Amino acid sequence: GAVVSQHPSWVICKSGTSVKIECRSLDFQATTMFWYRQFPKQSLMLMATSNEGSKATYEQGVEKDKFLINHASLTLSTLTVTSAHPEDSSFYICSATDPRGSYSNQPQHFGDGTRLSIL
Amino acid sequence: AQKITQTQPGMFVQEKEAVTLDCTYDTSDPSYGLFWYKQPSSGEMIFLIYQGSYDQQNATEGRYSLNFQKARKSANLVISASQLGDSAMYFCAMREDFTGNQFYFGTGTSLTVIP
Repeated sequence: GAVVSQHPSWVICKSGTSVKIECRSLDFQATTMFWYRQFPKQSLMLMATSNEGSKATYEQGVEKDKFLINHASLTLSTLTVTSAHPEDSSFYICSATDPRGSYSNQPQHFGDGTRLSIL
Repeated sequence: AQKITQTQPGMFVQEKEAVTLDCTYDTSDPSYGLFWYKQPSSGEMIFLIYQGSYDQQNATEGRYSLNFQKARKSANLVISASQLGDSAMYFCAMREDFTGNQFYFGTGTSLTVIP
C-alpha cells in the first residue's frame, strides 16, 4: 500500500487563486520531504527540500514566495502555490524516505502527484 | 555535468521479449545507491529496483534486473518477458550517500510494448 499520500490529485482553479497541496507520510516519520515539478514527457525537477521544523531549501530559480512550503510535523508537508497563474500549471509530486532501516538502500517513496490546472 | 544520463528517449519492444534501458551516472562519492522507477501515464512513481555501489552482485526483482558495471558507471535496467503493462516512462536515479538525501533523476526513457 501507499506509504506517502498526496492530496488533492487534481486541481482546476482560476488565475489568482492560491492552491495548497498536502503530502503525508503514512507509516513513518519524515524529517525531510521533497517537492518536484514535472512537465509533460520530462523528468522530475526538484523544487525544494522540506525540512521539519525549519525553513525549506529551495533550488535555484524556484521562487520562494510563489511556492510556500511548510513542514509543520514529522508526517506532513504542504506546498502552497500562491496567486497561481496558467504558467504554474503542472504536475507536482512529493516524496519522502523512510528513515528506518539501512539508510543507503531506502528508496524515495512518492505520492501519487497533483495535476494543477490554472485557467 | 549530468549526474544521471539516459540516452534513449523512446524504446519499443515486442511483447514477451527482453529490453534493456540504459543509464550512466557520474559521481565521485564512493558510496551511492542507484534506483529505477516506473511512471505509467497515471503519473505515480513506482520503485522497481535498487543497486548499492558496494553490492557485488547485480540486483534482481522478479522480471527486473540491473546490469551494474561499476567501472563504466552504468546501471542498465533489463526487463525480461515484456508485458503490455510495462509501457511507461522509466527513470534512473542516484543518491550519493555522503551528500544528503537528495535523489538525482535522469531524463527518462519512454518504453512502448508492442503486442
